[in-house]
Parts: sequence; structure tokens; C-alpha cells
Amino acid sequence: QAQLVQSGPEVQKPGASVKVSCKASGDIFSKYGISWVRQAPGQGLEWLGWISTYNGNANYAQLLQGRVTMTIDTSTTTAYLDLWSLKSDDTAVYYCVTDRLYSTSKLHAFDIWGQGTLVIVSS
Amino acid sequence: DIQMTQSPSSLSASVGDRVTITCRASRDISTYLNWYQQKSGMAPKLLIYSASILQSGVPSRFSGSGSGTDFTLTINSLQPEDFATYYCQQSYISLRTFGQGTKLEIK
Repeated sequence: QAQLVQSGPEVQKPGASVKVSCKASGDIFSKYGISWVRQAPGQGLEWLGWISTYNGNANYAQLLQGRVTMTIDTSTTTAYLDLWSLKSDDTAVYYCVTDRLYSTSKLHAFDIWGQGTLVIVSS
Repeated sequence: DIQMTQSPSSLSASVGDRVTITCRASRDISTYLNWYQQKSGMAPKLLIYSASILQSGVPSRFSGSGSGTDFTLTINSLQPEDFATYYCQQSYISLRTFGQGTKLEIK
């Protein structure tokens, strides 16, 4: 069964860094890129960036420029989100999701979602 | 970036009602528009892609329409399990963006 399984909750202090993992099962890692989306408490969805599982190329949303790196480990079919210089505003549930190309429409959509990882930034 | 604006932000309706949620893009995105449903405490779920194509397994009471800058999500004959928050999202450019969400509540 195709699924994404994320790492557990994290509590970090302001200024620290966090690394969230996202393990892909099945053959989805070889088929689709991975996007990261976050949701602050009581707020909407915010796209953070995307990484190709083919070559590791990534592009990031402007809001996190300079504080984020997305990487992959093809040997373990795992994607990672590294976020540093954490602020209280980074408190959120972080989701990884497959960024699937629907070939007939030539459009990408977020298809399979991880269960989410709660990151709390607090002193 | 492309800004996505949904309306209304919240909506009260009864079981059996028909509801419509709109989404407007800040520029022409053709039909590169997706809709998601999110229930409390859960990850979002893809409902509709390419503005009008139902994702596999999604009930036919959900439908989407629109192109260019204006899009709608319609739910016919609301069921109790449809009360959730709905988001539109553009994939016209590589920098993806979501609408702010529409919370559908029971009247």
C-alpha cells in the first residue's frame, strides 16, 4: 500500500533546527516528487517547497528562503525537511505529500499525504 | 506568486443542502486548479484535480468547474461527513499556493 510515514513530534527552542523525515513505501518514491506543506494551529495550508525524487533538485517557497533545505535518500526512499533558525511562527504540523503528475491533464496535484509531524517552537 | 482567494471563509448549511465554494486566482491559471478536503485533525485529501476531474473514490455529489481565474466547488445533497474545511490550490507554476480555506459547518 502506497503511503508516507513521517517522524514523530518535536519540541525545539527558538534559534534551534529541526529535521523531519518522510519515508515512502511502495513504488511511489520513484514515481513522484515530494512537496512539504505546513499548517499552523487553527490556520490554513502553506506550501513550503518541492523536491524531485529523481535528481534531488528542489525549489522553495519565498517565505522560508535561506532557512530550509529539502533532501532525499534514495537508498531508504526517505525525504527530509531541514528547518533552522526556528521561530515561534514555525510552530505547525508539517506534512509531506506526493506531488503527482496527472499525465492526461499535464497537471500536478497533492495525492498521498503523510500523517503530519507536529513541530513546536517554544522557549 | 499567484494568490488564491476563496469565498466564503465559512459557511453554515444543513444535511441535504447544495453548497458552492468559489476560488479566484490572481491571474489566469487555465484549469491548473485542485480542491482538497480536510477534516479536523487529519491530513487533507485530494477531491478534484484539473478543476473538474474527480479523484478516484470521491463521491459524485462533489463537482468542480471553472477555468482562467474563477473556479467553483459544488457539493450536492450534503452528507454529515462533508462538514470539513475545503482548500483550493493552483499548480500552474512550480511555486504552489493554496487558498485560505472555507470551513463548512452544520447549521
